[in-house]
Amino acid sequence: AQSVTQPDIHITVSEGASLELRCNYSYGATPYLFWYVQSPGQGLQLLLKYFSGDTLVQGIKGFEAEFKRSQSSFNLRKPSVHWSDAAEYFCAVGAHSGGGADGLTFGKGTHLIIQP
Amino acid sequence: DTGVSQNPRHKITKRGQNVTFRCDPISEHNRLYWYRQTLGQGPEFLTYFQNEAQLEKSRLLSDRFSAERPKGSFSTLEIQRTEQGDSAMYLCASSLDRGGGYTFGSGTRLTVV
Repeated sequence: AQSVTQPDIHITVSEGASLELRCNYSYGATPYLFWYVQSPGQGLQLLLKYFSGDTLVQGIKGFEAEFKRSQSSFNLRKPSVHWSDAAEYFCAVGAHSGGGADGLTFGKGTHLIIQP
Repeated sequence: DTGVSQNPRHKITKRGQNVTFRCDPISEHNRLYWYRQTLGQGPEFLTYFQNEAQLEKSRLLSDRFSAERPKGSFSTLEIQRTEQGDSAMYLCASSLDRGGGYTFGSGTRLTVV
């Protein structure tokens, strides 16, 4: 069964500083990988996704993520955070076409706090 | 494209009552998903439709839960005889294909008192 681990429950970053949120996944084949952001009381917004090809993926709001197969990781990065980036961030894994369950498996999330 | 719409946004119900939620996906999306999210957790997959066919159901979906997508457009999720443990955010998502970006609605927050 697939699983996702987000090791950091909370992360505090100063405004303007760089950010890296960690994500490790377990999946037996080639996965689809996603990062979503959720503001309080809201649904999830897709930041970026990896299917294949270039392992460095660019997303919205200045975010990027790098797929490292050898480390089973898909860490999210941003060079300079803004106060509006404060939110809950979720990493998710989905089965590639051709097999596996269709639903996404999410991590438990990382709560990002931005210090002024 | 008006996004994925969910109604109601909030629902408070007494234990033992039945509740029904509605999801209107993006019109051209043939795949529709239901997830449940409890406080401090990531969303958990409940069930999935491709057009009107319900193709997958999680073991989380007990007999008290039923989902339909009668004409391959909107979907409903019904919970019978609600329990306090059913209190959660119920999220709907849709996509055009398996690898597509899943678009989530804003969710329905259920509180069972």
